[in-house]
Amino acid sequence: AQTVTQSQPEMSVQEAETVTLSCTYDTSESDYYLFWYKQPPSRQMILVIRQEAYKQQNATENRFSVNFQKAAKSFSLKISDSQLGDAAMYFCAYRSSTYNQGGKLIFGQGTELSVKP
Amino acid sequence: GAGVSQSPSNKVTEKGKDVELRCDPISGHTALYWYRQSLGQGLEFLIYFQGNSAPDKSGLPSDRFSAERTGGSVSTLTIQRTQQEDSAVYLCASQRRWGSPLHFGNGTRLTVT
Repeated sequence: AQTVTQSQPEMSVQEAETVTLSCTYDTSESDYYLFWYKQPPSRQMILVIRQEAYKQQNATENRFSVNFQKAAKSFSLKISDSQLGDAAMYFCAYRSSTYNQGGKLIFGQGTELSVKP
Repeated sequence: GAGVSQSPSNKVTEKGKDVELRCDPISGHTALYWYRQSLGQGLEFLIYFQGNSAPDKSGLPSDRFSAERTGGSVSTLTIQRTQQEDSAVYLCASQRRWGSPLHFGNGTRLTVT
């Protein structure tokens, strides 16, 4: 079974600075997808960025980028130029590429990010 | 409606009572997922629907939990004889087709007293 681990329950960053959130996972599959979701107090899960395991190039979305290390099974999220609106709970998630798994996501425990003005 | 709608937003119930949580997915989305988020925890998968059938219900924690989906649209998660450990936020997500992104609702916060 696949597992996802986020070892940082809380992180803090100064506004305009850069922060990196860590995520490791365990799987025996060679093809899969990885995601970072943001959950503000509204509770709605918002997709931040996704990475296909077969792609070596790290995904980027504006101020958000990932460092995907497949051999190490590591998938960290870097937030550049942090803004107050980035404060939220961040979840790392794994999805199998196997069709019979559907789109089921396996989530880590989350990292609470606070941004200091 | 543009997004996934869940109702009620909050529900307080007494231990031993049954509760029903509702999810209205985005129109046209074929897949629907239920997750549970306990305080300070990540999301725990409960059940997945493709159309009206549930190919994967492996995450339902006990036989007190059940879910159905009718007309390939609305889904109801039912918890019978609620216990205090059932207190959590229950999130629903829908998906247009396999491989497309999941769209989440705002969840139902269930409190069992």
